[in-house]
Order: sequence, then structure tokens, then C-alpha cells
Amino acid sequence: QVQVVESGGGLAKPGGSLRLSCVVPGFSLNDYHMSWIRQTPGKGLECVAYIGSGGGPKYYADSVKGRFALSRDTANNSLFLQMNSLRADDTAVYYCVFGDYEPHWGQGTQVTVSS
Amino acid sequence: DIQMTQSPSSLSASVGDRVNITCRASQTISSFINWYQQKPGKGPNLLIYAASSLHRGAPSRFSGSGSGTEFTLTISSLQPEDFVTYYCQQSLTFPWTFGQGTKVDI
Repeated sequence: QVQVVESGGGLAKPGGSLRLSCVVPGFSLNDYHMSWIRQTPGKGLECVAYIGSGGGPKYYADSVKGRFALSRDTANNSLFLQMNSLRADDTAVYYCVFGDYEPHWGQGTQVTVSS
Repeated sequence: DIQMTQSPSSLSASVGDRVNITCRASQTISSFINWYQQKPGKGPNLLIYAASSLHRGAPSRFSGSGSGTEFTLTISSLQPEDFVTYYCQQSLTFPWTFGQGTKVDI
């Protein structure tokens, strides 16, 4: 059973930062395509960031380009989404997704941007 | 970006009914479509991948069909736990894009 575990969500002020983490015990994340997808009641499901296996390529949605950045810690087998210059419309549940052909999703972490 | 048009947005059905949910892609995506079930407060759970392959652990009453631009998720006999929301997703190119969802009500 593949388990995808996200962490790092919470409350941030507009203009602030958060870093989301994702681990998949038993799997080397560097060997798989990984994505972050967010969900809001108004906009539905949106793919915000993707990193290909082996470290690249990377993709970012226009809505987060220049503000969000993906990275991998291969030593600790973790994936990170650094979110800077947060805006109210970044408020969403963020899901880490492991793989692409038969993707596995985490349970999500809530990010709330509010003053 | 590839647009995914899912229909209907909601439907009413009864336990035991056969239900079809469709997704149309704005361009051909071969068989690169996945179907998810989402229960309230939970993340999406994969049901069908690559248009017609049943994800391990998904009940066999779920099936998928189609290729190119037209796809269908079929629930052969609705069970009480199936009255939730379903989404399609194209995985041909990034950004992955999703249908708007179908809520299945009693």
C-alpha cells in the first residue's frame, strides 16, 4: 500500500511563506514524477507544480510561477514546495501526488492565507 | 491547456442503479485519463487509470471506457457509499487538468 504523507500547512499572512513537505515511505522520490495539486471549492482541482523523475523538468502553473518552488532532498527522500509571497487566493487544500501513470494522492494539508 | 468537460455536474440515483459519467477532452488524449472518487473531507481516491484499468483496491463495480476525446466512468450497481463526488483527470500533458466533478446524490 503506497502511503503519501504531506505536512507543513497552516495559517500564513498575505505576503508570507510556508513550506510543504511530502514523503512516501519505502520509495525513492527521485525515481518518480511528483506533483502538488490544490483544491478549492470555487476553482476545483488545480495542478500547481510538477517535477519529473530524476530531478526534472519542473513545471509551475502561471498562478504560482515565480512564487512557488519545488525541491527534493534525496538524502531524506522528501519533496518540498516552498511557497512565498502568499496571497489569499492560495488558500486551499494542497495534495502531494506520487507517480503519474497510476498516481497516488496524500490526504492533503490545509493552507490558509489570511490577515 | 487541455480542457476536460465532465457531465453531468450532478445526478440523482438509487441504490442498485447503473450510472454513467462522461468526460470530454478538448483534444485527443489517447487513453491518458484517470477517474477519482472523493468523499467529504478526504483526498481524491484513484478508481480507474489509463482509461480502463481498475486501481488495486477499487471495487469491480467501477469501470472505465473510451479513448481519444470521449470517456465514460460506469458504476454498475450503486452502493450506499458511492453517493459522493467523482472527477476525471487527463494525464497526457502538464498541466494535468480535471473535470469539474459529478456529485451523485440519492
